[in-house]
Amino acid sequence: DIQMTQSPSSLSASVGDRVTITCRASQSISSYLNWYQQKPGKAPKLLIYAASSLQSGVPSRFSGSGSGTDFTLTISSLQPEDFATYYCQQSYSTSMYTFGQGTKLEIK
Amino acid sequence: QVQLVQSGAEVKKPGSSVKVSCKASGGTFSSYAISWVRQAPGQGLEWMGRIIPILGIANYAQKFQGRVTITADKSTSTAYMELSSLRSEDTAVYYCARECDSSGYERFDYWGQGTLVTVSS
Repeated sequence: DIQMTQSPSSLSASVGDRVTITCRASQSISSYLNWYQQKPGKAPKLLIYAASSLQSGVPSRFSGSGSGTDFTLTISSLQPEDFATYYCQQSYSTSMYTFGQGTKLEIK
Repeated sequence: QVQLVQSGAEVKKPGSSVKVSCKASGGTFSSYAISWVRQAPGQGLEWMGRIIPILGIANYAQKFQGRVTITADKSTSTAYMELSSLRSEDTAVYYCARECDSSGYERFDYWGQGTLVTVSS
């Protein structure tokens, strides 16, 4: 199985900050990497697919980059509604999708 | 607008089975794979398996092989996930999610609202 490791596990930041979350795959996954946002009690929401493509309707302050094994999600200027948990997910192996363990973004 | 509506919360005894449904509307059901993802209390997301309704082919995460069965009824645009031999560790919210693969990159673009399954004696 392809293991996905996110860092950090938690992060404190302020409104207006630029934030970066990283995700590392245990083997090369090309650009088969997605990012989701999840708020308490809600289903995850797709933000970024194919490592860097912005899902329709998602604000442009969210961006993704990377390929191979190392990926990043960047929020350019944090807004109050961005405080949530973020997950990466590989779709390279359709017989076994895997998620990162999550990064909880909290208000400083 | 695509919607995935799941069945309601369940309370089950250890050793029993649960079957959760996921009814799709607003899109072409058979053309997209449906995956099931679960989330134990306070924990992360765990992929369980998927089905391609138009083919009726399912595949499962190794962890759940032999305990999970995912099916789809094209006539009602509904996918099902049945988990057997339940134990307390299966207490979780279970989500269905539609897989979009336009441009060749699969991702979960629509999600159900989640179904809480509680396993307790």
